[in-house]
Amino acid sequence: AQTVTQSQPEMSVQEAETVTLSCTYDTSESDYYLFWYKQPPSRQMILVIRQEAYKQQNATENRFSVNFQKAAKSFSLKISDSQLGDAAMYFCAYRSAGTSHFGNEKLTFGTGTRLTIIP
Amino acid sequence: AAGVIQSPRHLIKEKRETATLKCYPIPRHDTVYWYQQGPGQDPQFLISFYEKMQSDKGSIPDRFSAQQFSDYHSELNMSSLELGDSALYFCASSPRRGTYEQYFGPGTRLTVT
Repeated sequence: AQTVTQSQPEMSVQEAETVTLSCTYDTSESDYYLFWYKQPPSRQMILVIRQEAYKQQNATENRFSVNFQKAAKSFSLKISDSQLGDAAMYFCAYRSAGTSHFGNEKLTFGTGTRLTIIP
Repeated sequence: AAGVIQSPRHLIKEKRETATLKCYPIPRHDTVYWYQQGPGQDPQFLISFYEKMQSDKGSIPDRFSAQQFSDYHSELNMSSLELGDSALYFCASSPRRGTYEQYFGPGTRLTVT
């Protein structure tokens, strides 16, 4: 079974600064997907960014980028130019990449990192 | 763009009662997932359906059952409710082809008293 670990329960960053959230995972699979989800106080789960394991290039979405190290099984999220609206719980998640629709599509989440933005 | 719809948004039940949560996926999405998020916890996978068939099962209690209907909406039925069932229940949907992203609904907050 796959496991996802987020070792930073809480992080804080000054507005406009850059912060990096850590995530490691354990799997015996070679092909999979990794995601970062944001959960603001409204509790809505919002997809921030995704990474396909077979792609070496790190994903980027505006101010959000990842550092994907497949050999080290590490998947960190970098938020640049932090804004007050970035304050939220951030979850790292893993999904198998099997082609069957049966048994391998669920998301496995880490325990989350609560990010606070300091004005 | 249309999103995943969940109803009700809030539900209060007493111990030993039953509850039914409904999920309407994004149009043309044929796969539905249910997750449970307890207070201060990460979402835990319960069960999923693809083309009206159960496709995977996680830590879902035997007191819970679910199904997907011909219009692809899904219902999670919870019986003999316990205090520990108080949680936020998410439904997510994804399409059959091309994408591996799951789009989450706003959740149903269930409180058992």
